[in-house]
Formats: sequence, C-alpha cells, structure tokens
Amino acid sequence: NAGVMQNPRHLVRRRGQEARLRCSPMKGHSHVYWYRQLPEEGLKFMVYLQKENIIDESGMPKERFSAEFPKEGPSILRIQQVVRGDSAAYFCASSPTNLNNYGYTFGSGTRLTVV
Amino acid sequence: GQNIDQPTEMTATEGAIVQINCTYQTSGFNGLFWYQQHAGEAPTFLSYNVLDGLEEKGRFSSFLSRSKGYSYLLLKELQMKDSASYLCASYNDYKLSFGAGTTVTVRA
Repeated sequence: NAGVMQNPRHLVRRRGQEARLRCSPMKGHSHVYWYRQLPEEGLKFMVYLQKENIIDESGMPKERFSAEFPKEGPSILRIQQVVRGDSAAYFCASSPTNLNNYGYTFGSGTRLTVV
Repeated sequence: GQNIDQPTEMTATEGAIVQINCTYQTSGFNGLFWYQQHAGEAPTFLSYNVLDGLEEKGRFSSFLSRSKGYSYLLLKELQMKDSASYLCASYNDYKLSFGAGTTVTVRA
C-alpha cells in the first residue's frame, strides 16, 4: 500500500502563473482532505471531497482556488494567478470513511514557492 | 470556531520525560488527536482520545479532560529521533483543527 501520494514535492511558480497540486489517496480511501500549512502556523483545513463531490470548501479562499476529485484519477488542488502569500506547504489526507479514531493518513505535502 | 493552544518550543535531554500541554476551545468536539511531524515530512498519527483519561501506547501517552478543555502528550525515555513538531488537533465531524505545534528538541 503506497500511502497517500502527492506530487510534485516542490513547486516553484512566478506570480500570476497557475499551480496544480495532485493527490492520490490510499487504496480504498474515498475521502480526501486538503490542508495548508504556512510557516510557523498550524495546518488549516481547506476542503473536503468525496469522489465527484465537494462536501465542504469552507476553508478555501473564494477566488483563485478550486479543488476536484474526479471519478478516475487523483484529486487536484488548483491555484490560479498565484501570489506570494500562496507560498506554503499543501498537505492532502485521506480516510476510508468520514473519519475514524485513527485519524487521517497524510501525504508528504507539496511545498509551493511563489517568486 | 476552534482555538487550540500549545507551547511553541520545548527542550529536553535524551532519556528524560517531556509533557506537552494543549488547551482547546471548540464549538462541537468529537475527540483529540496528537500527530508527530518531522521537518519537511507528513504528520503521522500518534494518539486519539475521545473519553476522559489516559491512553498509553509504549513510550507515548495522551491524556484528555473534556470538562477542562485540556490534553497533554507525555513522551518518556526520550530518544534523539523524537526531535520533531508535535501537533494537537481537535476533531469535529470530519475536520481537524490544529494548533501551531510544539517543537521538541532532544539533546544528548
């Protein structure tokens, strides 16, 4: 079982470009969560998805950010027209059900740097 | 909303014990998680408390008092590899609300 796979591990984008972050959940997991971690801050919830459905996107900025989890393929977090403030580590997590007492399994994250 | 507080840093000697405290104020509460995160890596699950009391798991133990909104993680027989950030997180439905983390440095 390969665990939660995120790619790329590191991503550098110039201001105004688009960033696409990919997450493949663990085998058998149908629930995906995206979190953002700014330097010296805790992980902040962004969005919760199930296959083809966004369940809760209350933590995601209304503009420039979008997420999807298609029937086939990985979950994608897309950031359009990136700004310096988007520089952060973006973690994806998955779980087999809503959440159980083993918590999520996190991926290793994508570190986005906007220059 | 969720408000999770934990100390920023702690330092201890190899073989010693360290206790990391966490206080939380949450609207809705289904349990308390502790995660370990090494620099540049994914957070990994350590423990989950939903009922009051102490849960022991080898060198690591976690305690919860729901009435006080308080938890602690106890690390015993510290090893150099325990140097990491320790994240306290409250659980409400499907969301984890994390504190900023406590960086523990273990010195020889």
